[in-house]
Parts: sequence; structure tokens; C-alpha cells
Amino acid sequence: GQNIDQPTEMTATEGAIVQINCTYQTSGFNGLFWYQQHAGEAPTFLSYNVLDGLEEKGRFSSFLSRSKGYSYLLLKELQMKDSASYLCAVYSHDYKLSFGAGTTVTVRA
Amino acid sequence: GAVVSQHPSRVICKSGTSVKIECRSLDFQATTMFWYRQFPKQSLMLMATSNEGSKATYEQGVEKDKFLINHASLTLSTLTVTSAHPEDSSFYICSARDSEGHSTGELFFGEGSRLTVL
Repeated sequence: GQNIDQPTEMTATEGAIVQINCTYQTSGFNGLFWYQQHAGEAPTFLSYNVLDGLEEKGRFSSFLSRSKGYSYLLLKELQMKDSASYLCAVYSHDYKLSFGAGTTVTVRA
Repeated sequence: GAVVSQHPSRVICKSGTSVKIECRSLDFQATTMFWYRQFPKQSLMLMATSNEGSKATYEQGVEKDKFLINHASLTLSTLTVTSAHPEDSSFYICSARDSEGHSTGELFFGEGSRLTVL
């Protein structure tokens, strides 16, 4: 089975940095995704990591360590519109995508 | 990026009726589509994998006779909730992966369908 853990909630101030951690234990690994989901909407793709290291995309960066079963999503220069749920998802060996419970990030002015 | 369209976005029905939700990949072919269900403040739970031209594969605990899946073409999958009950009220989301490998393998999601069963 799949086991994906991430914090339930995080709060940060506008302009600050927030790091969302995700640990996983899965049967096989074919990549890790981060998605953003606003309330009542479908998830939207943020990042994909399949090799170890840091992937930077503008204000968002994602890091992966396969040996540790660990990833984080780094949100910099937080804006109010970044308030959303952030989902960590792992591709298992059969290419099924399993999601963590999501981390709700609240950005305060 | 690739576009997946889902319809209807909202549906309200009476208990005991059936509801069909369509999922279309608009600019790519998808031999495999996935159906997820999301209850309030919970994450997406995979219900089933829809395979074009063959039977769907259901996750443990999902009733295949209640949630009928048809994937008749490379761009369309449908989910029919049969004899819906209030506990079936949820947000249903489909997703698809570009079969021709024109992306990193990411899933593209439909807009979701919010089902309310009275």
C-alpha cells in the first residue's frame, strides 16, 4: 500500500517563505508530484521530481530525496492567492498516482 | 498544457436515481483515465482506472456495480453513479495522462463534478 504524510495546516505571512514537507512509503516509485488545489476546484500541477535534487520554478521549488522517501515544496514571496491546499502525490510502480491528505496553507496579510 | 473537460460541473439528483459524468481529453489521446472522489477537507481517493476498450480496474472497497465506468474511445470516459444515495454526495474528479508521452507523465485533471444527492 501507499503511505504519504504531510502536515495538515500551515500559516505564514505575506512575503514570507513556507516549506511543506512530504514523506512517503510506496510500493515502487516513478516520480513525485506537487499539486495546488483551491477550495471547490480541481488540482493544478505545480511540479514533478523523479531524480534527487531541487527543481526551481519561479517562486515555487520542489526537492526530492529518494533514499529518504522525502520531498518538500518551497513557496517563496508568499502572496494571498497562494492560500490553498497543496497535495503531495506519488507515482507507484504501476503508475497509479496516490495522494497525501494535503496541507492547507493560509497566507495572512 | 493538455486540457481535460468534465461535465456536468454540478448535479443535484434525488435518491435512487442514476447520474452520468463525462470526462473528455480535448487535445490528446488517453488510453487510461482515472476517477477520483474527494470528500470535504479530505484528499483525492482513487476509485478506479478506466482503460480504453477494456474493463475498468476498481480500487479496493469501490463497488463496480454502483460506479459504472465506460471508456469507449481514446478521448472519452464516463462514470455512472447508479441508484445514488446521500452518502454518494461528493466531488468526483477525472484525470488523464497523455498516452503519446508528450509530457512528463503528469496527470491532467478535469474541472470536477460536485454531486449532491437529496
